[in-house]
Amino acid sequence: EAGVTQFPSHSVIEKGQTVTLRCDPISGHDNLYWYRRVMGKEIKFLLHFVKESKQDESGMPNNRFLAERTGGTYSTLKVQPAELEDSGVYFCASSQRGRTYEQYFGPGTRLTVT
Amino acid sequence: AQTVTQSQPEMSVQEAETVTLSCTYDTSESNYYLFWYKQPPSRQMILVIRQEAYKQQNATENRFSVNFQKAAKSFSLKISDSQLGDTAMYFCAFMKFYGNAGNMLTFGGGTRLMVKP
Repeated sequence: EAGVTQFPSHSVIEKGQTVTLRCDPISGHDNLYWYRRVMGKEIKFLLHFVKESKQDESGMPNNRFLAERTGGTYSTLKVQPAELEDSGVYFCASSQRGRTYEQYFGPGTRLTVT
Repeated sequence: AQTVTQSQPEMSVQEAETVTLSCTYDTSESNYYLFWYKQPPSRQMILVIRQEAYKQQNATENRFSVNFQKAAKSFSLKISDSQLGDTAMYFCAFMKFYGNAGNMLTFGGGTRLMVKP
């Protein structure tokens, strides 16, 4: 069974540009989470999808971040326009319905904004 | 809001020895989970061990065990017979227990562990 995958693994963009990160959860996992770790800080929750619906987006830092999960499968996280402080590693995780205590993480996308 | 604190940014241990990583947390919740995640240099974060707060018995997974002190809000990880493959960043994490509802993890800052040959 394939694990959580994320694309790209590394992205370098200039301030003001747009970047879209993609996460493919484990097949059949209804729950999908986005987290990020900015340099020197803790890993922070961004938002949580249950299928295609946003269950909790309390961690989204501002309206430059837009997350979608079309059809309840893969998810995208778009940053537009990117700022220097958006640099960090963005992690995606997924879990089965009823087993939210078992979150499986992807390898992360390292975003560098210059 | 919950907070998780890992007071040891870096640690090292000799191969085959035992090491303990510390974690404290603050919460007003009575039902919750605690976790230790491991992130090796290859970056994929994996679950090492999970503890349900209502269970008094400390969780154990092979060479990994925890010392869960609920009253003290302490959750340390002991790695016995350390192996080179244990070299990684270790994160302590907290999750409120909401039954079947989805929920987020709150992480500590991490402890970088180096196992030396």
